[in-house]
Amino acid sequence: GAVVSQHPSRVICKSGTSVKIECRSLDFQATTMFWYRQFPKQSLMLMATSNEGSKATYEQGVEKDKFLINHASLTLSTLTVTSAHPEDSSFYICSALPRGSSYNEQFFGPGTRLTVL
Amino acid sequence: AQSVTQPDIHITVSEGASLELRCNYSYGATPYLFWYVQSPGQGLQLLLKYFSGDTLVQGIKGFEAEFKRSQSSFNLRKPSVHWSDAAEYFCAVGNYKLTFGKGTLLTVNP
Repeated sequence: GAVVSQHPSRVICKSGTSVKIECRSLDFQATTMFWYRQFPKQSLMLMATSNEGSKATYEQGVEKDKFLINHASLTLSTLTVTSAHPEDSSFYICSALPRGSSYNEQFFGPGTRLTVL
Repeated sequence: AQSVTQPDIHITVSEGASLELRCNYSYGATPYLFWYVQSPGQGLQLLLKYFSGDTLVQGIKGFEAEFKRSQSSFNLRKPSVHWSDAAEYFCAVGNYKLTFGKGTLLTVNP
C-alpha cells in the first residue's frame, strides 16, 4: 500500500514552453502533497505544500507564478513549470500525506526528470 | 528552525563490513526522524522512522538507527553491508514539513 506515482518520469522541453507534472496517490487519499526539487548530487528542497481544495503554500524563494500547483482531488496534485528555462532543469519529486495519518509519514513518488533545452 | 547535518558526504566500505552513517539534527520539540535511501534517478524509499518510544529503531533491509536526544543524533547502522546497499542516504527531520540533510553517498567495494 501507500504508493505514489508521478507522470511523466522524464520530460525534455524547449525553453519557453510549459510542462505539467502529475503526482497521484494510487491507493490512499491525500489531503496534503508536497513538491520537492533536487539538483544533481544535492538534497531535496521543499518547494511547496499542496492542500486539496485550497491554494498551495510556497517556500521562501519559490516563484508561485512560475511553479503553478493544483490539488484538485484527494489523489492528484499537479505542478506546472511555466515558461521553462534551462535553469529549471532538475529532478522534481512529490510526496503525499495520507488522509487522517497520525504520524505525518510522507510517501514519495519516483520523481520526474525535467530537462529544458 | 529545524535543520539536519550529515557530516559525511561520501563513505566507502567493503562488502560485509559494518556501516554507520551520521545524522545530527536541530529541532524545537520532540523530533520525528527519518532515514531514506535513494538509488540513482529514483525516488526515496523509507528505511526507518522514529516518532517516540524505544530509541533503537529497526528498519527494512537490516538497517537500524538509534535516537540519542542528548547528542541530537540519529545515526544509521548496518552490521554487514551488501553491494546492493550502494546508494545515497538522507536523514530528515520534521513534523509535517520535512527538512533533509545533504545526503551521504555510500560506495560498497567488493
